[in-house]
Amino acid sequence: DGGITQSPKYLFRKEGQNVTLSCEQNLNHDAMYWYRQDPGQGLRLIYYSQIVNDFQKGDIAEGYSVSREKKESFPLTVTSAQKNPTAFYLCASSALQGASYNEQFFGPGTRLTVL
Amino acid sequence: KQEVTQIPAALSVPEGENLVLNCSFTDSAIYNLQWFRQDPGKGLTSLLLIQSSQREQTSGRLNASLDKSSGRSTLYIAASQPGDSATYLCAVPGNTPLVFGKGTRLSVIA
Repeated sequence: DGGITQSPKYLFRKEGQNVTLSCEQNLNHDAMYWYRQDPGQGLRLIYYSQIVNDFQKGDIAEGYSVSREKKESFPLTVTSAQKNPTAFYLCASSALQGASYNEQFFGPGTRLTVL
Repeated sequence: KQEVTQIPAALSVPEGENLVLNCSFTDSAIYNLQWFRQDPGKGLTSLLLIQSSQREQTSGRLNASLDKSSGRSTLYIAASQPGDSATYLCAVPGNTPLVFGKGTRLSVIA
């Protein structure tokens, strides 16, 4: 059963802590993405990756870090430098066709709350 | 910079109505447009992907059209049902792989 999994579903962080959100896909997609969703703001891109060991900043990368050591996995770390991390985080993936990105598919999301 | 606008922000209709959701974008040099559905607290579900060479795409009761020259897309939902209640988002390529609108929140009343 192909798809994208994110864990955990809910995550609570204390001030000053780093936390890592997991994203795994078995769709054999080359590209993976992390978005943040806040009420009334829509989806904003944090980081994306087209290939293993390479990634690009999106619109709101400050305070976040990523790695892409395997094609299937794209974990996101929310660092203590992110001043307002409480949000809903969504991971997505897509195939690549040349320089174009194909249809994006999303995981179920992780809701992060800072205590 | 690509900007995407969706109108209306919210819509409430009685069951059975046909309805149209609108999406406009500022940079018409796109190669595709994607419509998504999001239920509260859930991830996004891809509904339709329209390539720039296509003018419309259909899936069941959903029909999406694309007019690149005017920077517009519409999502037509036929014979709406309470199960269609959700937020609908459109997205197009821009300075990042996809730029999203803020969505239209649809409520279908039984």
